[in-house]
Amino acid sequence: AQSVTQLDSHVSVSEGTPVLLRCNYSSSYSPSLFWYVQHPNKGLQLLLKYTSAATLVKGINGFEAEFKKSETSFHLTKPSAHMSDAAEYFCVVLNYGGSQGNLIFGKGTKLSVKP
Amino acid sequence: NAGVMQNPRHLVRRRGQEARLRCSPMKGHSHVYWYRQLPEEGLKFMVYLQKENIIDESGMPKERFSAEFPKEGPSILRIQQVVRGDSAAYFCASSPRYREGLNTEAFFGQGTRLTVV
Repeated sequence: AQSVTQLDSHVSVSEGTPVLLRCNYSSSYSPSLFWYVQHPNKGLQLLLKYTSAATLVKGINGFEAEFKKSETSFHLTKPSAHMSDAAEYFCVVLNYGGSQGNLIFGKGTKLSVKP
Repeated sequence: NAGVMQNPRHLVRRRGQEARLRCSPMKGHSHVYWYRQLPEEGLKFMVYLQKENIIDESGMPKERFSAEFPKEGPSILRIQQVVRGDSAAYFCASSPRYREGLNTEAFFGQGTRLTVV
């Protein structure tokens, strides 16, 4: 079975400082992992995805994530936070054990950005 | 190319009424998924449909909830006799036809926020 654990429910950073949102996964297979962002009262937007190609994945808006098999981690980072990054971020794994397209979501990390 | 369209965006129902949530997938997408997001929670899978077929409904409550994706028209998530605990955001996602060995991306709509009063 697959699962993801987001280690922080809330992260607060100052504008211009680095962002680190942590995610650990559990998977019996080589996982497909995603990060989605949800702005208040909006839908979900895909930031980036890992599908067993390069371990360092670059996404939109300057975000990137590194797949580390030895640590079963897929942390999301950004060198410099912007006010518009304030949102909720979800780490997601594709559930191969279920139907195709069955995404398993972490509980989310709310990112606050202080001026 | 319009994205996944959900309507209504907000829906208020009294206890015991029916709620109908609609989802039009992206053009060319034949797979639709419904997810529910409770407050302070991530999204939980409910059901996966293709045109005229329910592929996986393992996340659907056994009673009062049903989903369909007819040959023509949007996918519908129907909740009968709503209760306060049904209050949540319901998201629809769509993806293209699955091809062996490829990992398809799911595109999400903006959700329908159901409030049961």
